[in-house]
Amino acid sequence: EIVLTQSPGTLSLSPGERATLSCRASQIITSPYLAWYQQKPGQAPRLIFYDVSNRATGIPDRFSVSGSGTDFTLTISRLEPEDFAVYYCQQYVTSPWTFGQGTKVEVK
Amino acid sequence: DERLVESGGGLVKPGGSLRLSCAASGFTFSSVWMSWVRQTPGKGLEWLGHIKSKDAGGTTDYADGRFTISRDDSENTLFLQVNNLKIGDTAVYYCASGGHYFGTWGLGTLVTVSS
Repeated sequence: EIVLTQSPGTLSLSPGERATLSCRASQIITSPYLAWYQQKPGQAPRLIFYDVSNRATGIPDRFSVSGSGTDFTLTISRLEPEDFAVYYCQQYVTSPWTFGQGTKVEVK
Repeated sequence: DERLVESGGGLVKPGGSLRLSCAASGFTFSSVWMSWVRQTPGKGLEWLGHIKSKDAGGTTDYADGRFTISRDDSENTLFLQVNNLKIGDTAVYYCASGGHYFGTWGLGTLVTVSS
């Protein structure tokens, strides 16, 4: 199965700062089958990007993604208070679909 | 609005079985592939499997053979049967719309496996 490794585990930043989250796959993701989710405490994950770079409904454009092959990046250009959460990447190239372990973006 | 509501979780002894349900509303359930995903503190998010819409063949795909996914399109309900439960199956179980990525999630139902 494809293992997704996210880094860093925790990102401590202040509102207004830029957040850069990494997702590295154990195998090349040859098709654009990568998604990102945001999860806040006590809530279910929320889809933010699918097919690598398609922004889900209602996701503001301060969120962006980049990458290909085995290395993908989620960037939040200027953190808003509501952006502090845990972020997960997920691949759906090869079954079983797998998730990264998450990056927590916390208030510094 | 699309809505998913899971039910059926609870305390189960190791070796036991459980059937979880997921009631869908606000969208054409029969046309949508559906999935189950669980979340544990130790292993994080784990995809358990999906079931295709009937017009796509209705077949299933699983990460583990202990899980069985089914659907009742007449009742807009998704099911997950889990057999031979283990301590490590303790988790919040979510149903989600989509067979590859997951656009709508329920709030989850907690399954605790303990003797």
